[in-house]
Amino acid sequence: DTAVSQTPKYLVTQMGNDKSIKCEQNLGHDTMYWYKQDSKKFLKIMFSYNNKELIINETVPNRFSPKSPDKAHLNLHINSLELGDSAVYFCASSQARQRGVQETQYFGPGTRLLVL
Amino acid sequence: AQSVAQPEDQVNVAEGNPLTVKCTYSVSGNPYLFWYVQYPNRGLQFLLKYITGDNLVKGSYGFEAEFNKSQTSFHLKKPSALVSDSALYFCAVTIGRGSNSGYALNFGKGTSLLVTP
Repeated sequence: DTAVSQTPKYLVTQMGNDKSIKCEQNLGHDTMYWYKQDSKKFLKIMFSYNNKELIINETVPNRFSPKSPDKAHLNLHINSLELGDSAVYFCASSQARQRGVQETQYFGPGTRLLVL
Repeated sequence: AQSVAQPEDQVNVAEGNPLTVKCTYSVSGNPYLFWYVQYPNRGLQFLLKYITGDNLVKGSYGFEAEFNKSQTSFHLKKPSALVSDSALYFCAVTIGRGSNSGYALNFGKGTSLLVTP
């Protein structure tokens, strides 16, 4: 009955490699997000997708490319990994804002990425 | 820009005592404010949110938060702390792009709560 799931949970890789993180939600939400939590626990939005359309694209290197094949999935592909990409990446989902009501975002368990 | 500030890196409280985790906000327009909790090596769990209406918002696990417009604050409170409440607490405000799409969250830096037996 997992609401928002991410795979893998842990990812250890070498600098320069390309890797992907997958996210799936079974809540029927139409908006999904990627957040990055750095080593100081600071959380920052990276991307937001609504109905497979990119809505928010914060200042993120072009090496990061989100892809949403359908409303229930939002994957994150990272090219040419760098040491500074080491972080915890969280996926989240929510319903779109309707009639001025901000819907709650539900988070996945996170993917801990370590670049060596 | 919509932002929140958590002035305390850590809050220590004895079990059974009331706890407060502080959050102040800076927004244009009506603020949509949230509290999340993160247990070690876990994802973020939603506690409560303020959208409109009553200034006292009740949430999960016995937590509540008071929205104070004059002080631009949204402090998290619990009348009696438990050791199991020890975790990292985040205050957040929504940031958006002026559409009806989902709005992202802008988080505070987090406050580590330690409840001692």
